[in-house]
Amino acid sequence: DQQVKQNSPSLSVQEGRISILNCDYTNSMFDYFLWYKKYPAEGPTFLISISSIKDKNEDGRFTVFLNKSAKHLSLHIVPSQPGDSAVYFCAARDVKAGGTSYGKLTFGQGTILTVHP
Amino acid sequence: DTGVSQDPRHKITKRGQNVTFRCDPISEHNRLYWYRQTLGQGPEFLTYFQNEAQLEKSRLLSDRFSAERPKGSFSTLEIQRTEQGDSAMYLCASSLRRPGDNSPLHFGNGTRLTVT
Repeated sequence: DQQVKQNSPSLSVQEGRISILNCDYTNSMFDYFLWYKKYPAEGPTFLISISSIKDKNEDGRFTVFLNKSAKHLSLHIVPSQPGDSAVYFCAARDVKAGGTSYGKLTFGQGTILTVHP
Repeated sequence: DTGVSQDPRHKITKRGQNVTFRCDPISEHNRLYWYRQTLGQGPEFLTYFQNEAQLEKSRLLSDRFSAERPKGSFSTLEIQRTEQGDSAMYLCASSLRRPGDNSPLHFGNGTRLTVT
């Protein structure tokens, strides 16, 4: 069962415009969400995160929004730049029994973002 | 460079052979993870260490797979009697457990395994 889903395999955006990447999850025990970016032949690189007690987190051009009732999060990149072209993964961490969390992440399938000059 | 280091970057092996991969985490990180990524999918969790203790293993980790982290430093992942379905990118990640427990995972560049 795919607990974290990124339903758009790819997204194409013009430079300077906004990129919106979406992610849906099913596990209500997820308490922390992250976005990773991956270039070819490299490992995923951490981009931005959000705790389940918040609904928005912003870091420069990157903003993550969390809608817990809809079990949906999105990553906004504005303005988009050609260097942002990469695969973006949404990931979620679940809270174990007793409230501990060991940092294990469940990833979505990824969305390929292409930003055209 | 003080990031997560993985060796080798690429490994081609024949079905039935054993392979071993190494991961050197960021030096002060006490948590180490192994993930596997196949084409078109996100990374899938395999196993996790806190210091030298292996605390969790995924059901994806069949008995042909074994991971160790002696002395809580580097880690090895061994696959015995490789099968073509084992072909994937094997990613290692590390993190530092601290209050609040929200430190992100730092990934290495992976070892790409091809089983012929």
